Amino acid sequence: AQSVTQPDIHITVSEGASLELRCNYSYGATPYLFWYVQSPGQGLQLLLKYFSGDTLVQGIKGFEAEFKRSQSSFNLRKPSVHWSDAAEYFCAVGFIGGATNKLIFGTGTLLAVQP
Amino acid sequence: DTAVSQTPKYLVTQMGNDKSIKCEQNLGHDTMYWYKQDSKKFLKIMFSYNNKELIINETVPNRFSPKSPDKAHLNLHINSLELGDSAVYFCASSRDRQETQYFGPGTRLLVL
Repeated sequence: AQSVTQPDIHITVSEGASLELRCNYSYGATPYLFWYVQSPGQGLQLLLKYFSGDTLVQGIKGFEAEFKRSQSSFNLRKPSVHWSDAAEYFCAVGFIGGATNKLIFGTGTLLAVQP
Repeated sequence: DTAVSQTPKYLVTQMGNDKSIKCEQNLGHDTMYWYKQDSKKFLKIMFSYNNKELIINETVPNRFSPKSPDKAHLNLHINSLELGDSAVYFCASSRDRQETQYFGPGTRLLVL
């Protein structure tokens, strides 16, 4: 069965430090991959996505993610974290080639930023 | 210029009541979705409509009934509300079935 794992439930980094949030997926075919961010009390905002092509994708707010097929991973990175990045981050996988686009979400990683 | 909007934003109601949540998108998308986010922040799809046709219906109690009057709207009606229905419900839309999904701000439902 398809699944998405975000191993880190909670991460704390200092402002200005680099960040990497992990995401691993289990899927039998080539996936669509997404990272969404949810600020407290807010909806989900798309940070970036991977459909095909270059495995390093750039997103909004200075985020990037790298698709590594051999590791079934799609980790999110940012070189220098800002206090406003404190939020919950969700990795999601979508089907390709099927009749539907059902996103399967990971359980989220809550990012806290220390001054 | 809101892309995906939901009303109401907050909904507090008693057990046994019937309530509806409305969703509208002005992106011209063909596919719309309902997701449920539980108290542990886990997001799971409930329904999906493409051009007003139901294409995904996950294991959701019959008390939940989606209705799509047109491509721009997907409403969620819930009968006989239970405590376990308390959650945040997100509407989303995509250009077609295999494109990026854009989410609304969510409706926070609390059943007392």
